[in-house]
Amino acid sequence: KAGVTQTPRYLIKTRGQQVTLSCSPISGHRSVSWYQQTPGQGLQFLFEYFSETQRNKGNFPGRFSGRQFSNSRSEMNVSTLELGDSALYLCASSFLQGVYEQFFGPGTRLTVL
Amino acid sequence: DAKTTQPNSMESNEEEPVHLPCNHSTISGTDYIHWYRQLPSQGPEYVIHGLTSNVNNRMASLAIAEDRKSSTLILHRATLRDAAVYYCILRDVDRGSTLGRLYFGRGTQLTVWP
Repeated sequence: KAGVTQTPRYLIKTRGQQVTLSCSPISGHRSVSWYQQTPGQGLQFLFEYFSETQRNKGNFPGRFSGRQFSNSRSEMNVSTLELGDSALYLCASSFLQGVYEQFFGPGTRLTVL
Repeated sequence: DAKTTQPNSMESNEEEPVHLPCNHSTISGTDYIHWYRQLPSQGPEYVIHGLTSNVNNRMASLAIAEDRKSSTLILHRATLRDAAVYYCILRDVDRGSTLGRLYFGRGTQLTVWP
């Protein structure tokens, strides 16, 4: 079974631009979560989608948004990029919500100049 | 959110057992104890989880204290590939607003020496 895939793997943007990151979960998984990882703040939860609905949201500004499609693939969007948005963005999928283990992708490394 | 406390770093020699401790004194009855690890330049990887009883899988063992206020992840024979940051996480299965999310602390950086 293929693992979680994220595209692109690396991205360089400038302040003020917007960016869209993509995540394809493991086949059959219906829950997709997004996390931001920075050296200063560590791993922080962004949001979770299940059956195309956002079920859970972390403490991030409205510039961060996401969606999930009927095939469970998910995208996250960051508008009006700031230097502090430079981070590794990780996507994780699980079969269902709850106690089930989450499988993480390799992440997208975003650099904002 | 229930909080966990882990040592910042630990060291081990290859092929020796490693005991990684985690304190979670405010754990609730519906919190599962999960462990994930993150190898360099990779996303986190699930290791093991449990509720009350000790658990074993091919990667590790999880020993949970009787009062559930602490737990220990046991790697029976450390290898160089086990060098990673290990995160102890509490997950509430109560179907509330936090269902599904993982709260990562700073974790324990494990160094394995050859």
